[in-house]
Amino acid sequence: GAGVSQSPSNKVTEKGKDVELRCDPISGHTALYWYRQRLGQGLEFLIYFQGNSAPDKSGLPSDRFSAERTGESVSTLTIQRTQQEDSAVYLCASSFYRGQPQHFGDGTRLSIL
Amino acid sequence: GESVGLHLPTLSVQEGDNSIINCAYSNSASDYFIWYKQESGKGPQFIIDIRSNMDKRQGQRVTVLLNKTVKHLSLQIAATQPGDSAVYFCAETPGYNFNKFYFGSGTKLNVKP
Repeated sequence: GAGVSQSPSNKVTEKGKDVELRCDPISGHTALYWYRQRLGQGLEFLIYFQGNSAPDKSGLPSDRFSAERTGESVSTLTIQRTQQEDSAVYLCASSFYRGQPQHFGDGTRLSIL
Repeated sequence: GESVGLHLPTLSVQEGDNSIINCAYSNSASDYFIWYKQESGKGPQFIIDIRSNMDKRQGQRVTVLLNKTVKHLSLQIAATQPGDSAVYFCAETPGYNFNKFYFGSGTKLNVKP
């Protein structure tokens, strides 16, 4: 597609369940970012992938959060044993290379009951 | 730590007027700055960027000004239109680590017809 695609667009789950969020970046973009956005707030960096280099995981808030990326394509963000404070919009962005303007998807709105 | 903040959380302007949205940053090593626009339910959309070797950059109806002395960034929107109503974020990254972008908490722009 022409833009960054994220799925699902909305996810409602019970506390304690695991969730997996998907991001399809723009073709050819080597850099991929995940952010968390709580209601009415700015974006909180979670993790960054650049090609086949080791990802920068320094923004992951706990070991319940993990992410993977296959080469320069799809990425998945997994949250295990979800807590209510995990409720937020999770945004994915990609860019041709790091340090360049990022193109964002419309996010996954995650609600933990 | 990094700190990117905004002076005005909400800005209301009359259609046709010019808008100025401000942003302060704390890291003197910040090297690259971006303004994003986020409409409700959407991901942030790139508006304009500027590097630290410049103090002004113009786009279509938008101008970004950078004052490195006081660590201040502003976005000027000329002839503001109802379609400009959104939340605007500034983001910055230091030259030594393009992996991470630090986002401000956002300013909501309301354009009154």
